[in-house]
Amino acid sequence: EADIYQTPRYLVIGTGKKITLECSQTMGHDKMYWYQQDPGMELHLIHYSYGVNSTEKGDLSSESTVSRIRTEHFPLTLESARPSHTSQYLCASSLAGAETQYFGPGTRLLVL
Amino acid sequence: AQSVTQLDSHVSVSEGTPVLLRCNYSSSYSPSLFWYVQHPNKGLQLLLKYTSAATLVKGINGFEAEFKKSETSFHLTKPSAHMSDAAEYFCVVSDSGGGADGLTFGKGTHLIIQP
Repeated sequence: EADIYQTPRYLVIGTGKKITLECSQTMGHDKMYWYQQDPGMELHLIHYSYGVNSTEKGDLSSESTVSRIRTEHFPLTLESARPSHTSQYLCASSLAGAETQYFGPGTRLLVL
Repeated sequence: AQSVTQLDSHVSVSEGTPVLLRCNYSSSYSPSLFWYVQHPNKGLQLLLKYTSAATLVKGINGFEAEFKKSETSFHLTKPSAHMSDAAEYFCVVSDSGGGADGLTFGKGTHLIIQP
């Protein structure tokens, strides 16, 4: 399995709370990604990064924000969680110039 | 623009029988194509990928897929299903040469293995 980790794996939280989903990889990959996946649906790219201090928005608009201060770390933050944010969030990484992405186990978020 | 259509949302087969998961794509350029598998509570794992070399691609766990340009298809097959194959399978296309926004995922096919 790829060396990419996500915490927490499951999170149940109330509306209005600030949350941060953690993603770390130990493969030295420059590129990292966040996807959102609703049950039975395809993955949608919400954020990506080419490397340190690089962050870009993906195809699907999201109220979340990301940061990339270190190569191995790409956290995603929601300032004020809402029930519409309930979903699974998957983190991935890849080598620069490579198409193959390696995925973490995902975080299942439930906002009440 | 690129797109992926997985023709079956659910496929059910008996253990020991062949598996066929169907995928059609559209792409403006020469695409790269992937199949990923997602077991319950796990991340996506790469099964195999096609990148303009041999059209028949062999992957892990006995899976293979054939790229057919004339049919714009990239179906996934396995000769004999095993209980451990039960999972969600995603067909993925990329035509941007590795650009960060270049992957397009299908909606997934849920493979059920009957004992």
